[in-house]
Amino acid sequence: GAGVSQSPRYKVAKRGQDVALRCDPISGHVSLFWYQQALGQGPEFLTYFQNEAQLDKSGLPSDRFFAERPEGSVSTLKIQRTQQEDSAVYLCASSLTWGDLLNTEAFFGQGTRLTVV
Amino acid sequence: RKEVEQDPGPFNVPEGATVAFNCTYSNSASQSFFWYRQDCRKEPKLLMSVYSSGNEDGRFTAQLNRASQYISLLIRDSKLSDSATYLCVVNQAGTALIFGKGTTLSVSS
Repeated sequence: GAGVSQSPRYKVAKRGQDVALRCDPISGHVSLFWYQQALGQGPEFLTYFQNEAQLDKSGLPSDRFFAERPEGSVSTLKIQRTQQEDSAVYLCASSLTWGDLLNTEAFFGQGTRLTVV
Repeated sequence: RKEVEQDPGPFNVPEGATVAFNCTYSNSASQSFFWYRQDCRKEPKLLMSVYSSGNEDGRFTAQLNRASQYISLLIRDSKLSDSATYLCVVNQAGTALIFGKGTTLSVSS
């Protein structure tokens, strides 16, 4: 497909379980973003990659959260020892360029809905 | 204080009404401004960018006041299909998009 693809669409995890969420950005998009969206809230920034470099991870809520993009394309967001407060929709977005002069449109995937029970 | 603040809503309006959403941002270094639309259980999608001179796209008009750090979105002649959550978004060059909490619009017949 031509859009940003995320998998799985839905994930139910038992508290304490580790989860891995995958994002396939639009082909050729340099920049990739992860956001967390709780019910009734706007998306909250987690982390940002430009190619394989993680330029900003200031939004990751704890050291249980880890993201990688080893080849500058697919990205994985990993959450260790999940807690109930981690329940949210995790959105991935990609953009063709993102830099000092011009930020082009960011396209979002449909998200992964994580429920921790 | 959140970096981007929006009217919480919800806004319930009849078809054909004009409705305005407001947004303020706290970071004076913000350079780019947008309105995104998010339908229920869907991903956010870019509605329009917001420019200092103000800009219009059909029934939608966006305004930016840098001095007051204020952004607005006006929707004229509301349609049922306009029902959604409208997200105010700002960023500095090279940084991630920062979203407001969103304002929910419900247009009824």
